[in-house]
Amino acid sequence: DQQVKQNSPSLSVQEGRISILNCDYTNSMFDYFLWYKKYPAEGPTFLISISSIKDKNEDGRFTVFLNKSAKHLSLHIVPSQPGDSAVYFCAASGGSNYKLTFGKGTLLTVNP
Amino acid sequence: KAGVTQTPRYLIKTRGQQVTLSCSPISGHRSVSWYQQTPGQGLQFLFEYFSETQRNKGNFPGRFSGRQFSNSRSEMNVSTLELGDSALYLCASRAGSLLENYGYTFGSGTRLTVV
Repeated sequence: DQQVKQNSPSLSVQEGRISILNCDYTNSMFDYFLWYKKYPAEGPTFLISISSIKDKNEDGRFTVFLNKSAKHLSLHIVPSQPGDSAVYFCAASGGSNYKLTFGKGTLLTVNP
Repeated sequence: KAGVTQTPRYLIKTRGQQVTLSCSPISGHRSVSWYQQTPGQGLQFLFEYFSETQRNKGNFPGRFSGRQFSNSRSEMNVSTLELGDSALYLCASRAGSLLENYGYTFGSGTRLTVV
């Protein structure tokens, strides 16, 4: 039972355009959501997070939106750069449970 | 500030053997978690240790075990290796306070290949 789903295995965008990565979750107990970026042969790097009391969090080119009623979150990258090409993981955590439940990732390719 | 250090980076083992992986968290971080990454399943939670106590465990068989030492360093052990245990094993640490950001810092992982 996959509690965090990233339905798009891959996404390709042009440099300078917006990248939108989507994530859906099913567990209502999740109250904290994170996005990680991963390059090959490296561990995931924390990008940005959002608490369930917010619907938007922004950090430079990265913005995460949370729609609790739809159990959906998205990561917007504007403008996209070739260096953003990586696998992006959505993760969720909730209650007193500290573990992160990850989606399977979306491979973003930003073409010059 | 040194990051999360995992050793070894690569490992090849034979079916039936056992393996021990090591993780040194960021200085001051008391929580260490382990994850398994495979192409088909993504990142799956193995267990979390906080101040030498296992605080949470994922849905893995008893062949997977871990421990944490007083200096917060952690080891995970896999006994009776199976081909399906081939994966990237990632360790992550965080400071551990309930009030703090949940952003874990990951190491680069240990790539385990079982042949």
